[in-house]
Amino acid sequence: ILNVEQSPQSLHVQEGDSTNFTCSFPSSNFYALHWYRWETAKSPEALFVMTLNGDEKKKGRISATLNTKEGYSYLYIKGSQPEDSATYLCAFIGSQGGSEKLVFGKGTKLTVNP
Amino acid sequence: DTEVTQTPKHLVMGMTNKKSLKCEQHMGHRAMYWYKQKAKKPPELMFVYSYEKLSINESVPSRFSPECPNSSLLNLHLHALQPEDSALYLCASSQISSGRVNNEQFFGPGTRLTVL
Repeated sequence: ILNVEQSPQSLHVQEGDSTNFTCSFPSSNFYALHWYRWETAKSPEALFVMTLNGDEKKKGRISATLNTKEGYSYLYIKGSQPEDSATYLCAFIGSQGGSEKLVFGKGTKLTVNP
Repeated sequence: DTEVTQTPKHLVMGMTNKKSLKCEQHMGHRAMYWYKQKAKKPPELMFVYSYEKLSINESVPSRFSPECPNSSLLNLHLHALQPEDSALYLCASSQISSGRVNNEQFFGPGTRLTVL
């Protein structure tokens, strides 16, 4: 079973705080790591697709880094706003036993208080 | 058109019924996915079609039968389901690069299925 872990499970921050959370995944047979933003009653929306060790991607106040050698990715949000409140999912794409695999983590639920 | 559409939005069926879920995209994506999502849990991959061929089947019971009639459509045929199959069924699509399904996925709104 491929293990994709996200921590923390949930996080409450004040508006204006910066925050970050982690996705851990297998360091072998890695193809890609995705980050998705998922609001209640909506579909997950892609934030980043990361494929290369050392990748850093940025979209507005949100950025992500990737370390495939040690099997982790960080998502950072600078100056959190209430509209950033959502669950942030990571998805590992790799191979196991010769087959392509795609596994989501359980997500980090972020609540930004005004 | 950058949308993935799914029909129906809601479906209630008995354990002896046969029904189908439909998914459609017109973004030219050649990978399409079915996920099952239970409340407060992340999506669980069921099937992936690449170039209209089944490329990943995550040991899903045969009472779920996927079909990809063309590059824009993906169906999930349901037969003899159990109450524990009640969930949100999400469809997604993506481009394919270097033969892999690495690219960002675009998700549909889902079909909320209740099995009585």
